[in-house]
Amino acid sequence: GDSVTQMEGPVTLSEEAFLTINCTYTATGYPSLFWYVQYPGEGLQLLLKATKADDKGSNKGFEATYRKETTSFHLEKGSVQVSDSAVYFCALSRSGNQFYFGTGTSLTVIP
Amino acid sequence: KAGVTQTPRYLIKTRGQQVTLSCSPISGHRSVSWYQQTPGQGLQFLFEYFSETQRNKGNFPGRFSGRQFSNSRSEMNVSTLELGDSALYLCASSLATTSESSYNEQFFGPGTRLTVL
Repeated sequence: GDSVTQMEGPVTLSEEAFLTINCTYTATGYPSLFWYVQYPGEGLQLLLKATKADDKGSNKGFEATYRKETTSFHLEKGSVQVSDSAVYFCALSRSGNQFYFGTGTSLTVIP
Repeated sequence: KAGVTQTPRYLIKTRGQQVTLSCSPISGHRSVSWYQQTPGQGLQFLFEYFSETQRNKGNFPGRFSGRQFSNSRSEMNVSTLELGDSALYLCASSLATTSESSYNEQFFGPGTRLTVL
């Protein structure tokens, strides 16, 4: 069945460090891929998305490229800020509103 | 535009009881999905309702049920609560009109934190 695997956390970085959170997926067909972010005490918010192979999603300095050949959708940011501290979820959807989420990666950025 | 609201935000129950959680979607959204979030399992899809009909269902026992009203508000019910049902229950709404759509952006509520003692 469909599934998403993302790197275990927690991840702790210093401000302005480079961030990579790995995400790989298993799915038949051509799923859409997403990164969601959850700040403390809040629900999930869509961070970025890609709907077909080689698409690059980007938002707030974060980027992720849909790589069908490696079934990956790694999240990157060149210079993290303290305000980026949150839990990040990789997800896929093949149809409708049935989403499959990874287990989440907690990021803490220290000044 | 108001976001997705969930009530109550926190709930404490004991084993064997039942609980009902409520979700009000963003105005105009007709699809409501429910997820269970736990530290060990992450987010797991429970079910999705569209126009008062359950359209998709995850792999949860029959103790978990839901419904959607004509105004798109949705409720989720868990009967005979078990300790393992302690979790954050998230509701998400979207404008989705057809299950064949490849992607429908979901907007999440803040969740209901259920603790089963």
